[in-house]
Amino acid sequence: AQSVAQPEDQVNVAEGNPLTVKCTYSVSGNPYLFWYVQYPNRGLQFLLKYITGDNLVKGSYGFEAEFNKSQTSFHLKKPSALVSDSALYFCATANTGFQKLVFGTGTRLLVSP
Amino acid sequence: KAGVTQTPRYLIKTRGQQVTLSCSPISGHRSVSWYQQTPGQGLQFLFEYFSETQRNKGNFPGRFSGRQFSNSRSEMNVSTLELGDSALYLCASSQDPARNTEAFFGQGTRLTVV
Repeated sequence: AQSVAQPEDQVNVAEGNPLTVKCTYSVSGNPYLFWYVQYPNRGLQFLLKYITGDNLVKGSYGFEAEFNKSQTSFHLKKPSALVSDSALYFCATANTGFQKLVFGTGTRLLVSP
Repeated sequence: KAGVTQTPRYLIKTRGQQVTLSCSPISGHRSVSWYQQTPGQGLQFLFEYFSETQRNKGNFPGRFSGRQFSNSRSEMNVSTLELGDSALYLCASSQDPARNTEAFFGQGTRLTVV
């Protein structure tokens, strides 16, 4: 079965510092991987996806993610964190055709001023 | 382009009642999927519809059902509500899943069962 794991419930970072939110995956076949962000009382916003190609994927709001096949990881990164980046971040994987997303447990990111 | 619209935003129902939630996808999107989000279970897939056909179903009891109309709008229904059904229900639409297009989510319907 497809699955992703987010080992950290919460990540704290100071504004201006780089941030990393971790995700590891377990899939059979080619991995389709995503990052979504959720702000309080809101739905999920798509940040980026990996299907194939370059291991470094660039997404919305300055976020990027690095796909590492040998470590089965897909960590979300941003060079300089903003207070407004504070939110709940979900890593997800999908079956072929993206008909069903399987989400991780989420990581709460807190960026302090 | 308008995003995914879910109505209503908030609902309070009593145990044993039934509820219908509505989702209007982004214009041109033919796939609609539903997810349940709870603090304990996280985000769980309910079902996915494409061209009025249910193609995938998650591991939920038969009390949870859905349908999709010819204009791609979708509804989900929960019958005989239980306290544990209290959750944020999220709808997502995508343009063409066969081409691996990503899903865009609505703001959700917050259902509280009392």
